Amino acid sequence: QVQLKETGPGLVQPTQTLSITCTVSGFSLTSYYMQWVRQTPGKGLEWMGFIRSGGSTEYNSEFKSRLSISRDTSKNQVFLKMNSLKTEDTGVYYCARGFDNWDYWGQGVMVTVSS
Amino acid sequence: DIVLTQSPVLAVSLGQRATISCRASQSVSISSINLMHWYQQKPGQQPKLLIYRASNLASGIPARFSGSGSGTDFTLTIDPVQADDIAAYYCQQSRESPLTFGSGTKLEIK
Repeated sequence: QVQLKETGPGLVQPTQTLSITCTVSGFSLTSYYMQWVRQTPGKGLEWMGFIRSGGSTEYNSEFKSRLSISRDTSKNQVFLKMNSLKTEDTGVYYCARGFDNWDYWGQGVMVTVSS
Repeated sequence: DIVLTQSPVLAVSLGQRATISCRASQSVSISSINLMHWYQQKPGQQPKLLIYRASNLASGIPARFSGSGSGTDFTLTIDPVQADDIAAYYCQQSRESPLTFGSGTKLEIK
């Protein structure tokens, strides 16, 4: 069955880089878009960006200068990297499957940005 | 950016109908395709797709959930409301980038 699972550091210091991995099973990354969405106390649910089934990416301009999404299809993994973290980046980060609507989501990973 | 406006709270009695609205700052429809979707989120859980493209029931979702609307005004209806439906409900548009969400409506029981 389809499963998505995010893994990440939990705690990150301000100005540092966040790295989260989304490991999927039950489908191929070459057949689906994969999204990154976060949920913060300040802004609620925010779309961050996606990687297309063909491997190209698109980002929310809100994050564009510091966000990178990539993947390793051989490992069924999608990666999020975001630099220059601030305390306002504290929240839950989700990966989700789909193009315009997202039918499967990971459980999310809580990230706290604090010194 | 397309801003989606939702009322923060809706209180309904069990067994009654709940109507949750979402208004977009500009049209999210292209021709006859309405690029508005609805998600349910319970505390501590990830969002769950309920309705896609305004009126299509997602897989495994009970038929008491339905969606309607076009252009800028959309509605999620739950009829009848059950205790398990207590959650936050979010609309999301995919008409243009950046994809955006409403701020959510919390469904409460009267």
